[in-house]
Amino acid sequence: GENVEQHPSTLSVQEGDSAVIKCTYSDSASNYFPWYKQELGKGPQLIIDIRSNVGEKKDQRIAVTLNKTAKHFSLHITETQPEDSAVYFCAPAGGGGNKLTFGTGTQLKVEL
Amino acid sequence: EPEVTQTPSHQVTQMGQEVILRCVPISNHLYFYWYRQILGQKVEFLVSFYNNEISEKSEIFDDQFSVERPDGSNFTLKIRSTKLEDSAMYFCASILDRANSPLHFGNGTRLTVT
Repeated sequence: GENVEQHPSTLSVQEGDSAVIKCTYSDSASNYFPWYKQELGKGPQLIIDIRSNVGEKKDQRIAVTLNKTAKHFSLHITETQPEDSAVYFCAPAGGGGNKLTFGTGTQLKVEL
Repeated sequence: EPEVTQTPSHQVTQMGQEVILRCVPISNHLYFYWYRQILGQKVEFLVSFYNNEISEKSEIFDDQFSVERPDGSNFTLKIRSTKLEDSAMYFCASILDRANSPLHFGNGTRLTVT
């Protein structure tokens, strides 16, 4: 099965700085690469996703970059704000389905 | 924006009892999922459901688990005889189709088995 790892497991940044979280996966058949944000007491919320025919996608302060050769994709958050504080999960999927395999999570803390 | 709703938000039960967790997926969605998250750990896939049958299940989803879509709007997860290790957050999710739509998650049911 798919083996998914995230780094770092915790990340603390100052407000306004950038944050980068990296996800590595093992299944070369993976073709869908989403990032989810989970706030305390809530379910995972999709914040950005990318498909394997695209190398980078940006949505305002959030971007995802994909390197299929190296089997990793990264989440980039610029101009971080306190409300960005949450746990972030990558969850690659493949084979035409939507069975997501979640990574181990990254606790992001944005400090004032 | 339509959302996936789950009830109850918190369920406490005694070991050996049966529990049913309920979900109302987004109304026009066709594929349904259950995931679970043990406290402080990652979210794990349990089962996917399409066209009134299970399409895929994980090793976690053993004979003690079952799913049902009884009336065209609800999607339920039943645990027949709960164990202490079943304590977790259980998330329901739905998707319109498998090609290009993102997965939408509910806010979960916290199951505590004592």
